[in-house]
Amino acid sequence: RKEVEQDPGPFNVPEGATVAFNCTYSNSASQSFFWYRQDCRKEPKLLMSVYSSGNEDGRFTAQLNRASQYISLLIRDSKLSDSATYLCVVIHNTDKLIFGTGTRLQVFP
Amino acid sequence: DAGVIQSPRHEVTEMGQEVTLRCKPISGHDYLFWYRQTMMRGLELLIYFNNNVPIDDSGMPEDRFSAKMPNASFSTLKIQPSEPRDSAVYFCASSPGGQENYEQYFGPGTRLTVT
Repeated sequence: RKEVEQDPGPFNVPEGATVAFNCTYSNSASQSFFWYRQDCRKEPKLLMSVYSSGNEDGRFTAQLNRASQYISLLIRDSKLSDSATYLCVVIHNTDKLIFGTGTRLQVFP
Repeated sequence: DAGVIQSPRHEVTEMGQEVTLRCKPISGHDYLFWYRQTMMRGLELLIYFNNNVPIDDSGMPEDRFSAKMPNASFSTLKIQPSEPRDSAVYFCASSPGGQENYEQYFGPGTRLTVT
């Protein structure tokens, strides 16, 4: 079983829709959580951190559920430019980032 | 700052040949990471350095892979001999260390094809 699991998608949604991705992690000792975004044929970039209390950045909301060991990302009012792969990232007690395989989002007009 | 620089951007080589990938991290960053990305396995950490010292190479697939960081501004990942299953995108990333170590800055990647 992978340490970080994501539904690969693709999620195909119309502009303006709300879409949510989940990610589960297996190591209960995981300490920090993030979402990265990767555009097609580009490098990954940090999107946002995920805190137990929730974290909102404009149209994006990230949540952490430690008891169930999952992380979520909610995108409201989807834009065409949101089309990308979203990577769930977990850190244990080292400097290593553990990446999920990503969830692909395609927003259509 | 120019960001993380990788070369070459594309590499096509024949099985059995030696391949060397290069990376220049962001100046002042203490950490350097090498990743490999494929459709099947996603983004995998191969090795990482802290202050030019290899800390964890448990992700290096086998002895055919080696990585060096002779100074703070340069690192190489070498595959010798290369095999078709090594075909992937190889990313180098750097991070400042400390409390902000979770934000890794990736280079544009090297797309390797081994025929």
